Amino acid sequence: QLQLQESGPGLVKPSETLSLTCTVSGGSIRSSSFYWNWIRQPPGKGLEWIGKIYYSGTTYYNPSLKSRVTISVDMSQNQFSLRLNSVTAADTAVYYCARGDYTVDSWFDPWGQGTLVTVSS
Amino acid sequence: QTVVTQGPSFSVSPGGTVTLTCGLSSGSVSTSNYPSWYQQTPGQTPRTPRTLIYNTNTRSSGVPDRFSGSILGNQAALTITGAQADDESDYYCVIYLGGGISVFGGGTKLTVL
Repeated sequence: QLQLQESGPGLVKPSETLSLTCTVSGGSIRSSSFYWNWIRQPPGKGLEWIGKIYYSGTTYYNPSLKSRVTISVDMSQNQFSLRLNSVTAADTAVYYCARGDYTVDSWFDPWGQGTLVTVSS
Repeated sequence: QTVVTQGPSFSVSPGGTVTLTCGLSSGSVSTSNYPSWYQQTPGQTPRTPRTLIYNTNTRSSGVPDRFSGSILGNQAALTITGAQADDESDYYCVIYLGGGISVFGGGTKLTVL
C-alpha cells in the first residue's frame, strides 16, 4: 500500500526558505502513471494546490506561488521536495504531499498526513 | 485568474438529500476538467482529506454509494443521498484548468441536523 510522509522543520523565520520532503513508501516514485503534488491549508482556511512534479523532473506550479516555489525529485531516495522562499506569516499552513494521476488530473490519492509549518520569528 | 466557486455552507436533515456544487468564475465545468471531491472532517487528527469522487463521477475505493458525482448544467455536483450524522464535514472540489494547473474550491461546510 502506497504511503507518503512529510518531513521538515516545523518553524521557519520570516524571509527565509521553507523546505519539506515527502518520502514515498510501498511504491516507486519512478512511475509514468503519476505526478507528485504539494498542497497546503492555512489554519482555519481551505486547501490550496501548490504544484506537482513528474519523475522526469517536469514541474507545474500554482501561478500565484510560481515565483517562490521549487519542487524537485530524488529518485534514488524515492522522495520529492518543496522549497518556498521569502516566506511570510501567510505561508503558515499544514503542508500535504499527495500522489496525483497523470491522466485524471485533480485526482489526489493517497495523501500524507500533513505537517504544520509555522512562520514566525 | 479563474476562481473555483463553492457555496460556503449547506444544511441537510438526517436521511435527506443534498447537492453541493462547484463552478468556475468564468466558463463552465465539464468532464474535461476532471472534477474531484474531497471530504475533511473537523475534529479528526490528522485532518487528512479523504477522496470521495474523481473524474467527475467515479467513487474512490470504500466510499459508500450514497455519494455520487455529476455535471449539473455548467457546474460539477456532489450529491449525498440519505445523509448521516458523520457526513457533517467540509467538502472541497478540485478542478483541472489545463496547462498542468489544478485549483481547489473554497470548500462547503455541511451541517447535518
